[in-house]
Amino acid sequence: GESVGLHLPTLSVQEGDNSIINCAYSNSASDYFIWYKQESGKGPQFIIDIRSNMDKRQGQRVTVLLNKTVKHLSLQIAATQPGDSAVYFCADQGAYNTDKLIFGTGTRLQVFP
Amino acid sequence: DAGVTQSPTHLIKTRGQQVTLRCSPISGHKSVSWYQQVLGQGPQFIFQYYEKEERGRGNFPDRFSARQFPNYSSELNVNALLLGDSALYLCASRLGIQETQYFGPGTRLLVL
Repeated sequence: GESVGLHLPTLSVQEGDNSIINCAYSNSASDYFIWYKQESGKGPQFIIDIRSNMDKRQGQRVTVLLNKTVKHLSLQIAATQPGDSAVYFCADQGAYNTDKLIFGTGTRLQVFP
Repeated sequence: DAGVTQSPTHLIKTRGQQVTLRCSPISGHKSVSWYQQVLGQGPQFIFQYYEKEERGRGNFPDRFSARQFPNYSSELNVNALLLGDSALYLCASRLGIQETQYFGPGTRLLVL
C-alpha cells in the first residue's frame, strides 16, 4: 500500500547549524509533495511544496529536494533557529487533483543553543 | 485574512456518545478535508468535500460522516464513540483542485 516514511524520528541540532530531514515515499505515481511543520498543540503549518517535474525548490531558509529515482525527498533548513523546533511531516498528495494527503509519522527537530 | 478555524478546541465525551466538530475554511476556499491525528502519528485522511459534494473518503467506519454547507463550512460527525476515537481532528481547506491545503488548529477529542 501507499506509505510515506521518515528515516529518523528525532533530529537534534545546534542553533545556527543546517538541518536535513529525510523522507521516503512508495507511490511512484505521486506528483505533489508538501512539507509541514507542526508545533505542539497546533495544526500542521505549510512550509514548502514541490511537484514531480522539479527536483529542487527553495524558500526562505528552506530547500526541498526530490529524487524520483529512489523516491526520496528531503527538507533542508539553513541556520536553524530555536523557533524551528517542531515535528516535521512530509506529505504525499498523490495526484495533484486529490485532497488525500498521506503523511509520515514525522521527525522531531530539537534545536539546542 | 483569517486562516482555517475549528470549533470547539477541546471536547470530552464518553463512549457511545455522538460528537459534531465544525470547520470554517479560509475565505474563498471551496474544498474542505478532514483528518484524524492520533498522538505520535501523522494525520490520517477521513473525508474531502468540494463544492458541497463528497469527493473522497479514507478508511474510516460508517460511524464517521461529514457534510459541507453552501458557505463551504463543514461538519464532521462521529457516532457511537469509541476510546480509540480520541485524537486531534484537523480540518484543511484549499482554494481549488490545484492548490495547497492549509490546516486549522484542530479539535482535540478525548473519549472516556
